[in-house]
Amino acid sequence: EDQVTQSPEALRLQEGESSSLNCSYTVSGLRGLFWYRQDPGKGPEFLFTLYSAGEEKEKERLKATLTKKESFLHITAPKPEDSATYLCAVLSPSGNTPLVFGKGTRLSVIA
Amino acid sequence: NAGVTQTPKFQVLKTGQSMTLQCAQDMNHEYMSWYRQDPGMGLRLIHYSVGAGITDQGEVPNGYNVSRSTTEDFPLRLLSAAPSQTSVYFCASSYNRQRFDGYTFGSGTRLTVV
Repeated sequence: EDQVTQSPEALRLQEGESSSLNCSYTVSGLRGLFWYRQDPGKGPEFLFTLYSAGEEKEKERLKATLTKKESFLHITAPKPEDSATYLCAVLSPSGNTPLVFGKGTRLSVIA
Repeated sequence: NAGVTQTPKFQVLKTGQSMTLQCAQDMNHEYMSWYRQDPGMGLRLIHYSVGAGITDQGEVPNGYNVSRSTTEDFPLRLLSAAPSQTSVYFCASSYNRQRFDGYTFGSGTRLTVV
């Protein structure tokens, strides 16, 4: 069964304190890994897609990387506006659930 | 360009009542889907559609019906609401099922069944 595990469940950072969020997955034949940001009371907002090990994508203070077993979302010098829940999802070729989501990491950045 | 519009934003139902959650997109997307989000459970796929007239079940379809008579609309029907269906429901659309870069989510419907 395809699984996506995100850690930690919650992370509290001081403004400017860099850190990383982890997404580990077990998928046969990964076709893509996706990062979304979700603000309270809103739907997820797309951030990145990664397709193969070694690939990296950047957007402002965020950088996503991918290995054969996990992905990291690195946050450099975060600001309070980066506070949100970050969701990881994988595209599996099996079954009828094309996008399998992790439970998310709730990030709080304190000024 | 409104994107994906969900109505209502909030709803309280009594056990056994029925209702329809509305979802509309104006991006001419082929693929539309419904997810539910529960604390500690992540997003789970309920039903999806790859085009008008075509629907299929996701991971947790029981208690829900869908239809897709037009490209723009994909309503989700609760036939007989149960407390276990208390959740936040999201509609998402994409150009097609494989182009997940284009997944656009609505802002959600928060449903409480008492």
